Amino acid sequence: GAVVSQHPSWVICKSGTSVKIECRSLDFQATTMFWYRQFPKQSLMLMATSNEGSKATYEQGVEKDKFLINHASLTLSTLTVTSAHPEDSSFYICSARAGTGGTEAFFGQGTRLTVV
Amino acid sequence: GDSVTQMEGPVTLSEEAFLTINCTYTATGYPSLFWYVQYPGEGLQLLLKATKADDKGSNKGFEATYRKETTSFHLEKGSVQVSDSAVYFCALSQYGNKLVFGAGTILRVKS
Repeated sequence: GAVVSQHPSWVICKSGTSVKIECRSLDFQATTMFWYRQFPKQSLMLMATSNEGSKATYEQGVEKDKFLINHASLTLSTLTVTSAHPEDSSFYICSARAGTGGTEAFFGQGTRLTVV
Repeated sequence: GDSVTQMEGPVTLSEEAFLTINCTYTATGYPSLFWYVQYPGEGLQLLLKATKADDKGSNKGFEATYRKETTSFHLEKGSVQVSDSAVYFCALSQYGNKLVFGAGTILRVKS
């Protein structure tokens, strides 16, 4: 299957700082990327959906000013956690899809964010 | 809205035992159904999928059948291995849009 690379795989940051997570589709053009958050021992919750060149669509309850998503090209999307706090510590996973409905989404390996 | 319910874990089995993880869904249309597997510290990997009623998805000895009449997509494997220990997520997608995940089921296989 297609490869989605997420970087970094883990990061520790101080409270109040910002952290950027990158998601790249290595061998296909990702028209749509999804960002999920996973709390310990819980399922993945969709945070936002982004289409290349347009603003991301955020799920209800997700602060768009806190979780900045940029999908500037067909192979790269970034999630920036601004002014991070300990409650933002979580496992963040991106997925990318080529084309429109019916095509498979491929997942990155995830980023473990710890805010101290 | 759409939702997925899967059996709570953890499920603990001995090697070579038969595995069933139940999954039922609620959806307004005719979704595609998926099983994903997550190994410790890793992202999700697609295990199998089915896109219409009565389809059977299969991979690596795992299989699941899309049952529209019971709105179910139970995951089965005839003989589990220690290497199958992971978290399994059932999910659905409408028209190729966002995935809606179940809560996940931890599987532990003992040798």
